[in-house]
Amino acid sequence: GENVEQHPSTLSVQEGDSAVIKCTYSDSASNYFPWYKQELGKRPQLIIDIRSNVGEKKDQRIAVTLNKTAKHFSLHITETQPEDSAVYFCAASNKEYGNKLVFGAGTILRVKS
Amino acid sequence: DTAVSQTPKYLVTQMGNDKSIKCEQNLGHDTMYWYKQDSKKFLKIMFSYNNKELIINETVPNRFSPKSPDKAHLNLHINSLELGDSAVYFCASSPPWANTGELFFGEGSRLTVL
Repeated sequence: GENVEQHPSTLSVQEGDSAVIKCTYSDSASNYFPWYKQELGKRPQLIIDIRSNVGEKKDQRIAVTLNKTAKHFSLHITETQPEDSAVYFCAASNKEYGNKLVFGAGTILRVKS
Repeated sequence: DTAVSQTPKYLVTQMGNDKSIKCEQNLGHDTMYWYKQDSKKFLKIMFSYNNKELIINETVPNRFSPKSPDKAHLNLHINSLELGDSAVYFCASSPPWANTGELFFGEGSRLTVL
């Protein structure tokens, strides 16, 4: 089955700096790669996603890149703000497996002001 | 208008008891899930139902029994609770398979087993 690894497990950045979180996946058939943000005590919420037919996607200060050959994808957050502090999860899924989303272990992002 | 709602939000109980968590979604989605988030924040799928039929059943102890009376509801019943069952349980739903795989999560139910 699919296995998703995520690094780093914790990340501290100064407000205004960029943050990068990286994930690798094992199943070359996976074709959907979302990123979820979970604030303390809240539910995970989708912030951006990318499909396997696209190499990069941007939405304001966040972007995701996908390298299918290397089976890794990354989340980039620019101009970080204190409200970006949260746990970020990457995930991968494949419709062949019932769209089962397999999550990475999460990255705790702290933005220091 | 909560899209995915689950009850109760908090549940504290003794080892050996049986408890249930209910989930309802009003998004018209066909697929619903139960995820377990442990103390290290790791999110792991437990079950998935598509239109009331079980499609994913991970290696979950058979003390856990999901029930889907209709496609808008997916309940989770847990027998003989153990300390290791303490976690936050998230219900989620997603649109039909042909569309995005985005999960819409409920607010979570924090289960504490004493």
